[in-house]
Formats: sequence, structure tokens, C-alpha cells
Amino acid sequence: SQQGEEDPQALSIQEGENATMNCSYKTSINNLQWYRQNSGRGLVHLILIRSNEREKHSGRLRVTLDTSKKSSSLLITASRAADTASYFCATDNQAGTALIFGKGTTLSVSS
Amino acid sequence: DVKVTQSSRYLVKRTGEKVFLECVQDMDHENMFWYRQDPGLGLRLIYFSYDVKMKEKGDIPEGYSVSREKKERFSLILESASTNQTSMYLCASSPGLAYNEQFFGPGTRLTVL
Repeated sequence: SQQGEEDPQALSIQEGENATMNCSYKTSINNLQWYRQNSGRGLVHLILIRSNEREKHSGRLRVTLDTSKKSSSLLITASRAADTASYFCATDNQAGTALIFGKGTTLSVSS
Repeated sequence: DVKVTQSSRYLVKRTGEKVFLECVQDMDHENMFWYRQDPGLGLRLIYFSYDVKMKEKGDIPEGYSVSREKKERFSLILESASTNQTSMYLCASSPGLAYNEQFFGPGTRLTVL
């Protein structure tokens, strides 16, 4: 089944630095979403970008989408220790009946 | 705020037991989903439902069944629990189209001994 693949698998940075994680997918999509998961908890929706959009901002988050390369990136600016979490991209499956999640990028922000 | 609740945060069962995981959402969402999450494998879709009494198989339905008798409640059933079903189980709901934003519950960590 179609799946987003995040890169890198793990990322360690210092507070105040920017964090960039990438997602690649295989087939055409309606939208691409990013979620955050704090350790041992449920996922929280961060941002949704539609297939006809190229960039979207929400607070310290910036998401880009390149449908020609079938890829997206999530940038977190001025990171904080509280940003430590796993980040997942999700795309709709070909039938448009469900979301397919990637395996996630684990971000560690140290103070 | 949308709230998705799951009946237990932690659950320990024995092999062969019948296990019920309950999920309730309070926002009148049409769609509900059950995932399992395992290290290195990410989230995998078990079953989903568009409406009451309606269900669709996801990527890994074997060993599971579901029930949706009321719009707000979606139950995952392990008919005969096995050790390879030890996992984190996540329930989610979404309004309208199935690929809209999903709202997740806190998860149930199930251990089968």
C-alpha cells in the first residue's frame, strides 16, 4: 500500500536550532498531513497541506509539498525541548478511504 | 474540543482470552479507525468504519474484528489473544471524507502473556 517514508529516522538538535524532516510518497494524493506523537501517547494533528498547495505555515511550523517529486518537508523553527517527539507524515490511500502513515522521525531537542 | 477516549491505558491479558478495546468519540464523526503501532513498523490500519454497522478491513485485519453499533463507539475485538498481538492500539476518528484530519485517542498498551 502507498506509504509516506520519513527521513531521517532520528534527529538530535540543540534548543533554538531548526529541525527539518522529509517525507516521500509513491502515488498521487489529495492531501498530506503531519502529526506529532509524544512518548507513549496518541498522535496530534499538526498541519494539512492539499495537493494544490506548495507551502503552508502554522506558528513555528512550515510545510512544503512538491507533487512532482512526491515529497514534503516539515520545518520546525527555533526548536524547544517540548518539541521532542516523533513526527509522522500521512497521505490518503489510492481509494481515498483511509490515511497511510509513515514510520516517523524521532526528534530529540536538548537544552 | 474533540475528544476520543479509549477504555484502558494499559491492559494485560492471557493467551487465548477474548479482548475488547473500546473507543468513544464525542464529535459526531462519521469515520472511526483502529491502528496498531509497533517499533520500526509505524502505524498500521486494522479496521475502519464509515458509518454505524459498517466496517472495512485495513492492512492487517487478521485476528481482529470490530463492532460499531452506535455512531460514537467503535470496538476492537481480539477473538483469541496471542502474544504477537502485544502492541499499542490507537483509535482515531475523522469527520467527512476519510482522509481528513484524524483525532486520536491516548492509546491502549496491550500485553498478551
